[in-house]
Amino acid sequence: DARVTQTPRHKVTEMGQEVTMRCQPILGHNTVFWYRQTMMQGLELLAYFRNRAPLDDSGMPKDRFSAEMPDATLATLKIQPSEPRDSAVYFCASGLPYEQYFGPGTRLTVT
Amino acid sequence: DQQVKQNSPSLSVQEGRISILNCDYTNSMFDYFLWYKKYPAEGPTFLISISSIKDKNEDGRFTVFLNKSAKHLSLHIVPSQPGDSAVYFCAASASSNQFYFGTGTSLTVIP
Repeated sequence: DARVTQTPRHKVTEMGQEVTMRCQPILGHNTVFWYRQTMMQGLELLAYFRNRAPLDDSGMPKDRFSAEMPDATLATLKIQPSEPRDSAVYFCASGLPYEQYFGPGTRLTVT
Repeated sequence: DQQVKQNSPSLSVQEGRISILNCDYTNSMFDYFLWYKKYPAEGPTFLISISSIKDKNEDGRFTVFLNKSAKHLSLHIVPSQPGDSAVYFCAASASSNQFYFGTGTSLTVIP
C-alpha cells in the first residue's frame, strides 16, 4: 500500500527555533508538493518539485523557509527562525500530472 | 488573492438527502478541476475530477458539474451518508503546473 509519509506528525517549538519537516514521496512519483493549511487560506502551495528540481517556491517566505529534495526518496521543508504565525498543518503530496497523494501532515505549533 | 473560492465554510444535511458543495474560480485558464475529501488528522484524499472539455463527471454517489461560463463547479453527493462527513476541498489547475485549492467546506451528514 504505497503512501506518502511525513515526519514528525506533531511538532511544538519555541519562536526562533529551527524546524525541519520531512516527507517520503511515493516511489515513482516525479512531482512533490508542499502545502500549508490554515483556516483563512485553506491549502496554500508553498513549493513544488518535478524530478527533484524546484519548479516554483513563490508561495514560501524566502527569508525563513527553504525546501529541498536531496534525493528521490526525501523532501524537506525547513523554517529558520520559526515564528508563531507559522503554526499550521504542513502537508506533503506526491503525484503524477493531475493526481496528487497527500501525506498525513505535520502539525506545527510555534509558541 | 484566492483564485478558487468555497464560500460556504460548512453544510449540514440529513442522511439520505443530497449534499451540494459549491466552488467558484476566477482564472479562465483553469482546465482541470478536482475535489478532495479530508478527515480530521489525515491528509486530503482524491475524490473526483473533471476536465474543462466536460460539463459533468459521475462516479457512484458523487457527481461533479462544471459551468465554465459561470466559472463555477459543484459536487453532488446522493444519497448522503454519515461517513461522508468531512471537509471537502476543490482545486483547479491550468495545464497541471500546479493546483490552487479553496478553503474547504465542512460537511456534516446527520443520521
